[in-house]
Amino acid sequence: KNEVEQSPQNLTAQEGEFITINCSYSVGISALHWLQQHPGGGIVSLFMLSSGKKKHGRLIATINIQEKHSSLHITASHPRDSAVYICAVRPNFGNEKLTFGTGTRLTIIP
Amino acid sequence: DVKVTQSSRYLVKRTGEKVFLECVQDMDHENMFWYRQDPGLGLRLIYFSYDVKMKEKGDIPEGYSVSREKKERFSLILESASTNQTSMYLCASSLAGGRQPQHFGDGTRLSIL
Repeated sequence: KNEVEQSPQNLTAQEGEFITINCSYSVGISALHWLQQHPGGGIVSLFMLSSGKKKHGRLIATINIQEKHSSLHITASHPRDSAVYICAVRPNFGNEKLTFGTGTRLTIIP
Repeated sequence: DVKVTQSSRYLVKRTGEKVFLECVQDMDHENMFWYRQDPGLGLRLIYFSYDVKMKEKGDIPEGYSVSREKKERFSLILESASTNQTSMYLCASSLAGGRQPQHFGDGTRLSIL
């Protein structure tokens, strides 16, 4: 079993829909990251969370430390949001290293 | 703005060749990382460096080595390339301190024939 599980693996939605991507992890962590990877490969860090909720534009990330679960929400989705979204955790024992989920491929249809 | 630059976007090499992948960051970051990304497996850490000349093995170091002679540059070396090393390679850097975001390069898609 992977230490970081994401769901769904693939998600297709219509433009304007509210999107939720989930991440569950099995170890104690000091931080959780949400990353975005567009076709072509480059990865961008969206959020780093250790508690509560963060918002940036149409993106919202939440984390529940007790339940070992995080969600990434996209409001009013747009085709340019189409990308792979990756959850990564920094385990308490892992110094500087991250453990990654396998990603959620999101496709927004106009 | 933060910039991590990988020397090549696409690279094709032959089995048995020695392959160098270069990564340069301009943010004076202490930490640098090399990952490979394969379908269905996510990003896996090959090697990590937390200072000049310091390195630590990641989850899949076999068949790879690294070099960090200067703070801004971290090189990944495939000593004798094999077809199972065909992959996307991503470099990242971060400040030290445990709760810093990692900044990624655009990746190098390496094919070993």
